[in-house]
Amino acid sequence: DAKTTQPTSMDCAEGRAANLPCNHSTISGNEYVYWYRQIHSQGPQYIIHGLKNNETNEMASLIITEDRKSSTLILPHATLRDTAVYYCIVRVANTGNQFYFGTGTSLTVIP
Amino acid sequence: GAVVSQHPSWVICKSGTSVKIECRSLDFQATTMFWYRQFPKQSLMLMATSNEGSKATYEQGVEKDKFLINHASLTLSTLTVTSAHPEDSSFYICSARTQGPRNTEAFFGQGTRLTVV
Repeated sequence: DAKTTQPTSMDCAEGRAANLPCNHSTISGNEYVYWYRQIHSQGPQYIIHGLKNNETNEMASLIITEDRKSSTLILPHATLRDTAVYYCIVRVANTGNQFYFGTGTSLTVIP
Repeated sequence: GAVVSQHPSWVICKSGTSVKIECRSLDFQATTMFWYRQFPKQSLMLMATSNEGSKATYEQGVEKDKFLINHASLTLSTLTVTSAHPEDSSFYICSARTQGPRNTEAFFGQGTRLTVV
């Protein structure tokens, strides 16, 4: 699976949009971009995933660049409960492949 | 839907004893489950892949005789930490893949905090 690079930490004001970047310059054509988050002392929670088109669900939006070498997870209106470590993972979908986690971005939402 | 439950949520055991952690998929069948370990302020590290009805596949550096994995049914996988020592104290997390429309995702349990004293 391709390696990802994320900033170590970010702050965001409550109510503002949180934009979390991820670089995956070695991504292969059949690899998807997944985002998970982990709130302290809990298991990871699935957020969203995509291949090349932008995706949106009730939690977030995923913007993938045209060359697919980077992506941005957008939390449109961050709340204090969004404070967590956010992991960007690239992997081939529809396989039994494991999810390998990098170091992620620690997002702190500030009141 | 797609709920994964671990039991217990936390456990304290004496050094030298064994501890069993259960991972259940509550509303779906999981042919494959994964076990992770997470030390404080670190990311999740994959330990092994558990396949129903066959032997688990361990990541490099993980002792299979120390971390026994059994996946006897499509809804249950267990991880037994044998002869636990303080350095085994960690947060253990399992995940499972669904079949069907959401099979591209993995769903995670809430984790088990193991403290060996």
